[in-house]
Parts: sequence; structure tokens; C-alpha cells
Amino acid sequence: KAGVTQTPRYLIKTRGQQVTLSCSPISGHRSVSWYQQTPGQGLQFLFEYFSETQRNKGNFPGRFSGRQFSNSRSEMNVSTLELGDSALYLCASSGRDTGGYNSPLHFGNGTRLTVT
Amino acid sequence: AQKITQTQPGMFVQEKEAVTLDCTYDTSDQSYGLFWYKQPSSGEMIFLIYQGSYDEQNATEGRYSLNFQKARKSANLVISASQLGDSAMYFCAMREGLGGATNKLIFGTGTLLAVQP
Repeated sequence: KAGVTQTPRYLIKTRGQQVTLSCSPISGHRSVSWYQQTPGQGLQFLFEYFSETQRNKGNFPGRFSGRQFSNSRSEMNVSTLELGDSALYLCASSGRDTGGYNSPLHFGNGTRLTVT
Repeated sequence: AQKITQTQPGMFVQEKEAVTLDCTYDTSDQSYGLFWYKQPSSGEMIFLIYQGSYDEQNATEGRYSLNFQKARKSANLVISASQLGDSAMYFCAMREGLGGATNKLIFGTGTLLAVQP
């Protein structure tokens, strides 16, 4: 069974630009969540999608947005990039529809975004 | 609010020895799940082990075991017979929310483990 796939692996963007990251969950998983990892702030939850609906959102500005398609694939978009957006962005999928406590999140390899 | 605390920024262990990575948590929820993940330098997050708040026995997965002490709100990861490939960052995490209807994880700051030959 293929794991969570994130594309691209690396991105270099300039301040003010926008970027779209893609995530394909494990087949059959309907929940996709996104995390930002930085040396200063650690791992922070961005948002979660389930059946094309945003189920939960972290404390990030509106420049960060996401969506989920009918095949459960998800994209996140960051507009008007700032230097502080440089981070590893991790996507995770889960197989339990209600996110039951005994179902782990399976993460992708991440997209490393550098904003110059 | 839920919180995960990992007080060991870095640790060394000799190959083939056991090591314990500490994790304490704070939550007012009665039902919650605790996870440990491994993150090698490549960046991927690898699920290691899970402990449910109502599980009566400590979780074990191969060389990984979880020393769960609910009253102390601690969920320490024990790695037995350390291998060089165990060198990585280790994160403790808790699933937030009522009834499990969310996949938001709260992460600790991590412990960087270095296994020495």
C-alpha cells in the first residue's frame, strides 16, 4: 500500500509569491491534515479536511488555506509569502473516519519550502 | 489547553543499550490518545507506538514500549537494544478533541537521540 505522497519535495519562492502544495493520502483514508514545522515554533497544526470539508483549523493567518478533493487528495495554498513561512510542511492521513483514538496519523515526507 | 512536554532536548545512548525518552502531558479530557513519532534527518515522520487513555496495559511494538503512568500524566518511550538507525528526533504527541472526531495532534518539542557505536 502506497504511503502519503507529498509534492514537490522542495520549493524555493520569493516573498510576495504564492505557493500550492499537494498531498495524496493513503488509499482509503478520508482525513488529511497539514502541519508546519519550523526550528522556532516546532510542529504546529494548520488544518484538517475530512470528506472535502475543513473539520479543524489551527491558529494561522488567512494567507494559509487548503482544500480537499473528492478523491481525498488535498492541497494547501500560501499566498503573499513571507520569510517566516519557510518551513517543512507535513501532510498526514488517517484511516478512521472519526479519528478514533487508536488510529495513528501517517505522514508524508514533507515539502520543504524556502522563501527568499 | 492540552500540552505536551519533552524535557530532554538531546540524549546519547550506546548501541545495544536501552534508553528512555520522557514525555509528560496535560489535558482535562478523559479520553485521549498518545503517540510517539520518529523523525530522521530526511524529514519523514514515522509512527512508532500508540497508547490510549483507557488502555490497561502499556503498549509495546517490537523494541519500542511505552511506560504509561496515567496518574502522573507521563508516557515515556523506552527503546530497547538501541541501534545506530535509531538516531533521530523523537516526538511525543497527543490527539486533541472530544470523542476523537479530529486528527489534530499536539506535539512536544522533541528529543534528539544519538546512538553511539
